[in-house]
Amino acid sequence: DAKTTQPPSMDCAEGRAANLPCNHSTISGNEYVYWYRQIHSQGPQYIIHGLKNNETNEMASLIITEDRKSSTLILPHATLRDTAVYYCIVRVGSGNTGKLIFGQGTTLQVKP
Amino acid sequence: DTGVSQDPRHKITKRGQNVTFRCDPISEHNRLYWYRQTLGQGPEFLTYFQNEAQLEKSRLLSDRFSAERPKGSFSTLEIQRTEQGDSAMYLCASSLHSGRADEQYFGPGTRLTVT
Repeated sequence: DAKTTQPPSMDCAEGRAANLPCNHSTISGNEYVYWYRQIHSQGPQYIIHGLKNNETNEMASLIITEDRKSSTLILPHATLRDTAVYYCIVRVGSGNTGKLIFGQGTTLQVKP
Repeated sequence: DTGVSQDPRHKITKRGQNVTFRCDPISEHNRLYWYRQTLGQGPEFLTYFQNEAQLEKSRLLSDRFSAERPKGSFSTLEIQRTEQGDSAMYLCASSLHSGRADEQYFGPGTRLTVT
């Protein structure tokens, strides 16, 4: 599975959009981009995933560049409850084990 | 609540004792994963099951660790002769694998402290 690079920390003002970047320059054609977050002392929470098209759900939007070497997770209106560690993970979508390989993630601090 | 549940949530044990954790996945999910997370690190994969078959084990899973999923539903993770280095959060996740990208749903974890 391809490796990802994320900034270690980011701040965002409450009510503003939080844009979390992720680089995955060695991604293969059959690898998906997944985002999870982990609020302190809880299990990770699935947010969104995509292959090459942009995706949106009730939690967030995922923007993947045309060359698929990077992506951005967008939380449109961040709240204090969005303070968490956000993990960008690249893995093969079907077959294999489906295991997730977590990096260090980005600690997002939403400030009032 | 129909999410992934884990029991116990916290366990304190003395070095050398055996401990067993239980995970109940989301009912229709055929895959079940175990991860371990130490302070300040992301979760690390330990092992996974598809139905009752254990299909992969990480090198992190020493011979003191054993996991089972006897009927393809709940799973147990046992650690024998615990060591202080086993202190961590043990996370369980489940997914419905159908040949396409699937998302894993995590339980709240079991925090193990070995004294």
